[in-house]
Parts: sequence; C-alpha cells; structure tokens
Amino acid sequence: QVQLQESGPGLVKPSETLSLTCTVSGASISTYYWSWIRQPPGKGLEWIGYISYSGSTNYNPSLKSRVTISVDTSKTQFSLKLSSVTAADTAVYYCARGGNYGINWGQGTLVTVSS
Amino acid sequence: EIVLTQSPGTLSLSPGERATLSCRASQSVSSSYLAWYQQKPGQAPRLLIYGASSRATGIPDRFSGSGSGTDFTLTISRLEPEDFAVYYCQQYGGSLLTFGGGTKVEIK
Repeated sequence: QVQLQESGPGLVKPSETLSLTCTVSGASISTYYWSWIRQPPGKGLEWIGYISYSGSTNYNPSLKSRVTISVDTSKTQFSLKLSSVTAADTAVYYCARGGNYGINWGQGTLVTVSS
Repeated sequence: EIVLTQSPGTLSLSPGERATLSCRASQSVSSSYLAWYQQKPGQAPRLLIYGASSRATGIPDRFSGSGSGTDFTLTISRLEPEDFAVYYCQQYGGSLLTFGGGTKVEIK
C-alpha cells in the first residue's frame, strides 16, 4: 500500500528556513500529484501547496512568497522549504498523495519555531 | 478565496444514532469538488469522500456525502464507536484549496 513518511528538524529558529522531506513507498512519484498541508496545534488544516508529476506547482497565495515544493524522482521523495519562518509557522506538517485532495497521508511531523 | 463554514461546531450523539454534518461555501464550489476527512486525536486526516459523494477506498457505506453548489452534507447513518472524531470538509474547485473549521462528533 502507499506509505508516506515526513522527516526533518523538529525545531527551527525564527527567520530561518524550514525544510522537510517526504519519502514515498508503494506508488510511483512520477505518476501522481503530491501535497503539503499543515495544522497548528489545536487548530484546523491549512493547505500549503502541491507539485504535479511534471513538476508544475500550485501554492497557497498566503505562503507563496516563502514556499518551494520540489520532487526528487531518483529518491522517491518530495520536499518542502518554507523561508523566513515565525512562531506562526509552528504546526504539524503533513505530506500527502494527491493534488486536489489527500488520498494518502503521512503521519505528520511537528515543527516548532523558537529561538 | 472560498470560505467553508462547518456546522455545528460540536455534535453530541450516542452510538447507533445518525449524524448529519453541514459544510457551507461562501461561493459555489465548481463541479462539486468537495472532499470530507475524518481526523482522530494524534492521527493524520483520512479521506472519506471526494467529488461531494464518492466514497474513498475502504470507507464503510454508513458514510455518505451529498450536496452541490454552496451546501454540502456528510451523513453517518449509524455511529460506530470508532466514528467519534473531528470531520473536515475541503474544496478544490479553485486554484486555492481551503478547509472548513471542522465539526467534532463526540459521545453523548
């Protein structure tokens, strides 16, 4: 079955860049769309963006100036970079298969922004 | 931006009862591009419904979705103990995907 696993630092300093990787198994990363979604502690879900199998991207306009999503097909991974983070970026970050909606999700990883 | 408003915020019901959850959009969601998710504490969301009424793989038929335009509904015909959770709707009718604020279904 399709499995996704997020990895990356759990603590990032303000003004630095948050970098996360999602490793995919059970599905070809060259076939589907791949998304990032986040959830601040105790709050609802926020879509960050997605990347297609061809490499085209679509980002949440509220984050667009700070977000980059990329795919590494050789490693069956896709990545998220969010620059100039603040405490407001503290959240559980999920990766998911699918562009329009999340068909399969990773377990999520908590990223805290703090000095 | 399409804003999704879910109601009620909390639904208190007993196992075996019927749950009706509402999701209202600030403007029409094109082609009924609406999905529903279930989220339990400490877990990732799980896709239940897409295209407003199509059940995702492995989802029991007690879950059903309906609606179009600006008004959508998730119905759980008979609540099982494992159904008590938070439910989110999400639209993908435009280039900006948005989620509703969630409805918590709790045991009465």
